Amino acid sequence: DAMVIQNPRYQVTQFGKPVTLSCSQTLNHNVMYWYQQKSSQAPKLLFHYYDKDFNNEADTPDNFQSRRPNTSFCFLDIRSPGLGDTAMYLCATSRGAPGAGETQYFGPGTRLLVL
Amino acid sequence: AQSVTQLDSHVSVSEGTPVLLRCNYSSSYSPSLFWYVQHPNKGLQLLLKYTSAATLVKGINGFEAEFKKSETSFHLTKPSAHMSDAAEYFCVVSMDSSYKLIFGSGTRLLVRP
Repeated sequence: DAMVIQNPRYQVTQFGKPVTLSCSQTLNHNVMYWYQQKSSQAPKLLFHYYDKDFNNEADTPDNFQSRRPNTSFCFLDIRSPGLGDTAMYLCATSRGAPGAGETQYFGPGTRLLVL
Repeated sequence: AQSVTQLDSHVSVSEGTPVLLRCNYSSSYSPSLFWYVQHPNKGLQLLLKYTSAATLVKGINGFEAEFKKSETSFHLTKPSAHMSDAAEYFCVVSMDSSYKLIFGSGTRLLVRP
């Protein structure tokens, strides 16, 4: 009964070779998020969708893009990965705004290694 | 501006002894506060949250936290540590209608046999 599913769990790519990470949810939540978490650091929000409304964080590099074709799925595209993009990528969902008390539910993460 | 300070980067306890993980926040308005746990190579799991109801919040696995507005604190406690509690713990704040979570830097809990 997994609620937020991420595929693949581990991904190795070469410097500059595009990569796509996938997230799906069975919660029917309006909001989906992508975070980057580097070793021994807190997660850093890259962007989020409210339905189809895309919201980019100001400091998210242009190299990172996202697509949400329907309510259940959201993709993270890294157009030209650099060595510094090696990290855990976490997908999360929520029904509404955490600032209003809504919980974010996280997936298990995709660990990306850029060689 | 909002911020979260976790006062200890590492906490080490013996199995069966109490756990205290400290968190202070800075927020101009009534915040929503969360504690998440992350086991190695796993996603984040919600332990508990405060959303302006009861100030003593009970969570999963025997954890609880008390919201103290006068001290701007939201410390996490557990009466008796278990080996399976060893993990990274994040204190998190959000406010108003924001979608953004502000994370503390995390506290790594070590549990000794």
